[in-house]
Amino acid sequence: AQTVTQSQPEMSVQEAETVTLSCTYDTSESDYYLFWYKQPPSRQMILVIRQEAYKQQNATENRFSVNFQKAAKSFSLKISDSQLGDAAMYFCAYRRPNSGYALNFGKGTSLLVTP
Amino acid sequence: NAGVTQTPKFRILKIGQSMTLQCAQDMNHNYMYWYRQDPGMGLKLIYYSVGAGITDKGEVPNGYNVSRSTTEDFPLRLELAAPSQTSVYFCASSYQGLGTGELFFGEGSRLTVL
Repeated sequence: AQTVTQSQPEMSVQEAETVTLSCTYDTSESDYYLFWYKQPPSRQMILVIRQEAYKQQNATENRFSVNFQKAAKSFSLKISDSQLGDAAMYFCAYRRPNSGYALNFGKGTSLLVTP
Repeated sequence: NAGVTQTPKFRILKIGQSMTLQCAQDMNHNYMYWYRQDPGMGLKLIYYSVGAGITDKGEVPNGYNVSRSTTEDFPLRLELAAPSQTSVYFCASSYQGLGTGELFFGEGSRLTVL
């Protein structure tokens, strides 16, 4: 089974600072996709960033970037210049090669942003 | 475009009642999914569909049924509701082909079984 582990139930960061959320996964596949989703209090699931395993370059989307370590099966999310609107649950997800390419989600990390 | 639309957003059921959560997407996506989200547990896959007329079970299908008669609609049926089905339910869709496999989610439906 392709499990996804987020070892940090909660994290806190001050506004304008940088925070890194951790994620590890287990798979025997060589080609796959990884995602980070954000879930604010509104409950809406919002895609933050995606990474294709065959790409060595780490994905970047504005203030969000990932550190993808394929050999270590690690996929951390870095948020730079944190803003109050970044406060949310963050879920790491792995796209399954079967089950209709559904996503396997970690349990999430709750990010608190303090002024 | 509305994206993925779920109804209702909130519902309270009594034990043993049945109901259907509706899901519709207008993006012409071929794949659709139902997840449930319990506190502190992430999202678990209930059922998925790879096209009209084709559905299959996910990790936690017991107590649920689905159908997919059209590309747009993917209703989730709860039969004989139990307190263990109290959860937030998310419908999602994606285009699995040349795309990157991103799932687009509805806003969720909060179901309470008392």
